[in-house]
Amino acid sequence: DTAVSQTPKYLVTQMGNDKSIKCEQNLGHDTMYWYKQDSKKFLKIMFSYNNKELIINETVPNRFSPKSPDKAHLNLHINSLELGDSAVYFCASRLAGGSADTQYFGPGTRLTVL
Amino acid sequence: AQSVSQHNHHVILSEAASLELGCNYSYGGTVNLFWYVQYPGQHLQLLLKYFSGDPLVKGIKGFEAEFIKSKFSFNLRKPSVQWSDTAEYFCAVNAGGGGYQKVTFGTGTKLQVIP
Repeated sequence: DTAVSQTPKYLVTQMGNDKSIKCEQNLGHDTMYWYKQDSKKFLKIMFSYNNKELIINETVPNRFSPKSPDKAHLNLHINSLELGDSAVYFCASRLAGGSADTQYFGPGTRLTVL
Repeated sequence: AQSVSQHNHHVILSEAASLELGCNYSYGGTVNLFWYVQYPGQHLQLLLKYFSGDPLVKGIKGFEAEFIKSKFSFNLRKPSVQWSDTAEYFCAVNAGGGGYQKVTFGTGTKLQVIP
């Protein structure tokens, strides 16, 4: 069973388009995240939701809008895509509590903006 | 604000060589520390983590890390690497409070193991 899944795995699109990436976790976790990994492998947190509520919102262009319809899903919508948005986007979910506290990552979505 | 430094950007080793990857963090309070591995084309997987207790933490695949509070370090070690250890390794720190975990990642160290 896939714990954290993302769709699509690959996304190639033109500049200026609007696209969405979906994330689902079947672990029953309360907290979910979006990370961006650039071409140099630098991993940076973008957003975090806890029980459908936004709790972390890093300095990200407002073209990026997360949406959490329920605590098992956290989608990322990107408007007016730019070349610099090309990256791998990872979704993660978190099991909270004591020594078990850790994040589980999805397989990533490789976004290429042409 | 918390930050993480990984000084080795690219490490090349022969199989059976010993490995030590450096990780230093900056935060004055209590921290949780992690090492993640990312195999080529794959997602991040947790290797090991430190929350409290024994500062020498053992993880999967023969990896271990030692938390040295006085040096703000959490170096990753493996006595004998294998070709299959070729991957990117990320150190991460969480110093968030309020029950919400904001993990900051280092820039990663690319490990290449030559058969």
